[in-house]
Amino acid sequence: AQSVTQLGSHVSVSEGALVLLRCNYSSSVPPYLFWYVQYPNQGLQLLLKYTTGATLVKGINGFEAEFKKSETSFHLTKPSAHMSDAAEYFCAVSESGANSKLTFGKGITLSVRP
Amino acid sequence: SAVISQKPSRDICQRGTSLTIQCQVDSQVTMMFWYRQQPGQSLTLIATANQGSEATYESGFVIDKFPISRPNLTFSTLTVSNMSPEDSSIYLCSVEGITGVNTGELFFGEGSRLTVL
Repeated sequence: AQSVTQLGSHVSVSEGALVLLRCNYSSSVPPYLFWYVQYPNQGLQLLLKYTTGATLVKGINGFEAEFKKSETSFHLTKPSAHMSDAAEYFCAVSESGANSKLTFGKGITLSVRP
Repeated sequence: SAVISQKPSRDICQRGTSLTIQCQVDSQVTMMFWYRQQPGQSLTLIATANQGSEATYESGFVIDKFPISRPNLTFSTLTVSNMSPEDSSIYLCSVEGITGVNTGELFFGEGSRLTVL
């Protein structure tokens, strides 16, 4: 079985500061890993994904994440936060080779202070 | 990518009633998924809807409570039956990425926010 851990429920940063949202996973097979963002009153939008190949993946809006197998982590970062980044962020995992069945973390709310 | 439309976007319902949520996709897809997002919590998969067969429900979800239809490759409905306040949630329809390669990526509709009084 697969699972995702996102510690904490809320992160607050200043505009221009580094954004770091942590995600750890467990999976019995090589995982596919995803970060989704949910803006207020909207559905989920894919930020980035890791399937195979390069472990550092770049997504939309300047976000990137690095797959670290040894640490079972897929932390999301952005060098400089913008006010428009305020949203809820979900990490998710699915098992490679299987039917698409995503398991989501509980999500973390990012606030950006002026 | 896929464009997914859900109706209604939000509704306020009375206890004991049922509500049907519609999901329309702009392209043909094999599998459609229904998720529930309860207040302050993550997304939980309710069921997978395949065209031409009964939906497959996850543990804790049953067909009598959440009947699903999948009449064709672009449309599905989820009914929330005999609602109680505990059913107040956002219900999300999603489909796999239309790339021909299964990477697990899903596209989501904007959700249907239900409030049960």
